[in-house]
Amino acid sequence: EDKVVQSPLSLVVHEGDTVTLNCSYEVTNFRSLLWYKQEKKAPTFLFMLTSSGIEKKSGRLSSILDKKELFSILNITATQTGDSAIYLCARGSGAGSYQLTFGKGTKLSVIP
Amino acid sequence: GAGVSQSPRYKVAKRGQDVALRCDPISGHVSLFWYQQALGQGPEFLTYFQNEAQLDKSGLPSDRFFAERPEGSVSTLKIQRTQQEDSAVYLCASSLGQLQETQYFGPGTRLLVL
Repeated sequence: EDKVVQSPLSLVVHEGDTVTLNCSYEVTNFRSLLWYKQEKKAPTFLFMLTSSGIEKKSGRLSSILDKKELFSILNITATQTGDSAIYLCARGSGAGSYQLTFGKGTKLSVIP
Repeated sequence: GAGVSQSPRYKVAKRGQDVALRCDPISGHVSLFWYQQALGQGPEFLTYFQNEAQLDKSGLPSDRFFAERPEGSVSTLKIQRTQQEDSAVYLCASSLGQLQETQYFGPGTRLLVL
């Protein structure tokens, strides 16, 4: 059973659309939930969430965590072609080596 | 440096060859992680260092994989007798402290074993 599940696995939208990406996770040793953007290079950090119900925002991107229902969403408003990437969700462990456990990612394609 | 750097960026190896992948973490970062990312998958944890100590190597897939960080800075991931299933992108990440904090990733080394 996957510890981090992302949906959808892929998504195609037009410029200007708003998208919502989903991430559900397993609660065992949960410490934090992170979102990364991956183009053809290093995953780039977007958000780290530790508290439930507090929205984090950066420009057109925002994210929120629900620790009761064990999920997080990443919203992107007014999408641009530069938003095309794979968005990775990762669960941070509060025990052991504090490794990140990643989902398979959501591939977002924004077409003009 | 400004970010995590890795070298080489691309490596082609014949099956059975040994390879060494290098990671330069962000200066001053205590924690260093190696991940393996197969095509179409998210990164998977391999091993973790706190300074020079390898505290977790539970993700290493076999004893052909070996990692070191002798001076608590640069790290090397070595794969002996490479197999085709080792083909993947190997990502290195570092974080400032010992507790869970944001991990910053390097660009990765794309390894292709023929």
